[in-house]
Amino acid sequence: DGGITQSPKYLFRKEGQNVTLSCEQNLNHDAMYWYRQDPGQGLRLIYYSQIVNDFQKGDIAEGYSVSREKKESFPLTVTSAQKNPTAFYLCASSPRTEVETQYFGPGTRLLVL
Amino acid sequence: GDSVTQMEGPVTLSEEAFLTINCTYTATGYPSLFWYVQYPGEGLQLLLKATKADDKGSNKGFEATYRKETTSFHLEKGSVQVSDSAVYFCALNTNQAGTALIFGKGTTLSVSS
Repeated sequence: DGGITQSPKYLFRKEGQNVTLSCEQNLNHDAMYWYRQDPGQGLRLIYYSQIVNDFQKGDIAEGYSVSREKKESFPLTVTSAQKNPTAFYLCASSPRTEVETQYFGPGTRLLVL
Repeated sequence: GDSVTQMEGPVTLSEEAFLTINCTYTATGYPSLFWYVQYPGEGLQLLLKATKADDKGSNKGFEATYRKETTSFHLEKGSVQVSDSAVYFCALNTNQAGTALIFGKGTTLSVSS
């Protein structure tokens, strides 16, 4: 079955630690996105990538980093510079033939110990 | 800038009641409009979309019409079920290269039997 997978479902971060959230898709989609969801604030864009080896900052990129070495993978690293990382993180992708529509993974909930 | 405003919740209804969730937008040009649904602890699922004025998107008994004259995309369902309880997000995409979705803050729907 084609889809977007995110792992882990829950992730715990200690103070000063970098953690990486995985996002993989087997839909052959070109573009991939990372959003952060906080209660009552909807979703905000962190980073996006339209093609391999290229990515752009979104509205709240500070304290995060990404890579896009393969078409199917777009991992997000939450660095120690992100002072308020507790949130629900959602990865999405969109196909070249339907660029306006994004399809989402199940999300990763990051909690700080 | 571009934005989406949707009615604040929570919306509480009895089973078989009529549902309307209001959504209005501000955008330049001709955006595509979307409704996404999020069940507890899960990612977002695309519910329906409309890509041009006067288009009606529909799915699972839900529908919404793209009204350019009122810049609206209200979500409706004639008879809600308990299983419709979720958070509903209205979103737009300006369809310009390198852009991502712009979301409203979400409306929580709770349906009781």
